[in-house]
Amino acid sequence: SSELTQDPAVSVALGQTVRITCQGDSLRSYYASWYQQKPGQAPVVVIYNKNNRPSGIPDRFSGSNSGNTASLTITGAQAEDEADYYCNSRDTSGNQVVFGGGTKLTVL
Amino acid sequence: EVQLVESGGGLVQPGGSLRLSCVASGFTFSNYWMHWVRQVPGKGLVWVSRINSDGNNSNHADSVKGRFTVSRDNAKNTLFLEMNSLRGEDTAVYYCARDPYSSGSMDVWGQGTTVTVSS
Repeated sequence: SSELTQDPAVSVALGQTVRITCQGDSLRSYYASWYQQKPGQAPVVVIYNKNNRPSGIPDRFSGSNSGNTASLTITGAQAEDEADYYCNSRDTSGNQVVFGGGTKLTVL
Repeated sequence: EVQLVESGGGLVQPGGSLRLSCVASGFTFSNYWMHWVRQVPGKGLVWVSRINSDGNNSNHADSVKGRFTVSRDNAKNTLFLEMNSLRGEDTAVYYCARDPYSSGSMDVWGQGTTVTVSS
């Protein structure tokens, strides 16, 4: 197995840009996906396979990758973006899946 | 409407067993890999198991290997998680999720079913 590391908490002023990062060895070989989870709700994918956005997800959400780090960028954060965000990918063996510990995003 | 609905959660004693189900609708279930993911309330998401579209290949997290088994019945559009030798640390909300690219990326999630392991 392997690990994905996220900052526990990040804050952003309303309308500003924020980047949430995810680090791990598996990201050198496999794409990351990103999930948004609000209290009491199931997770929702916002970016899949590095930088693909599902229908219905606003274009202010984007993903990128460099080396062992994947990033989720929210350009012009809105109040409704306040949530927990998780990254995931296959692990280094390719046989399992691993999630990051999650980042709590606060929109000020 | 594409939907996943889990059931089968409940209270079970340590050492006991439970079988979770996840019924899929609105899409061709047999075309997709599927996953189980769990979450202790207030904590993060933890991957549990995955199974390929045919049901002949599966993987489990090290923490549940040898105790949990994922399976599926494509004729009944249903995913299962057989959980044996349950421990307190297995207490969590269990979600099933669809994987459209066989990559670990999950685009549809159920609402979750709660498993509580306690005496």
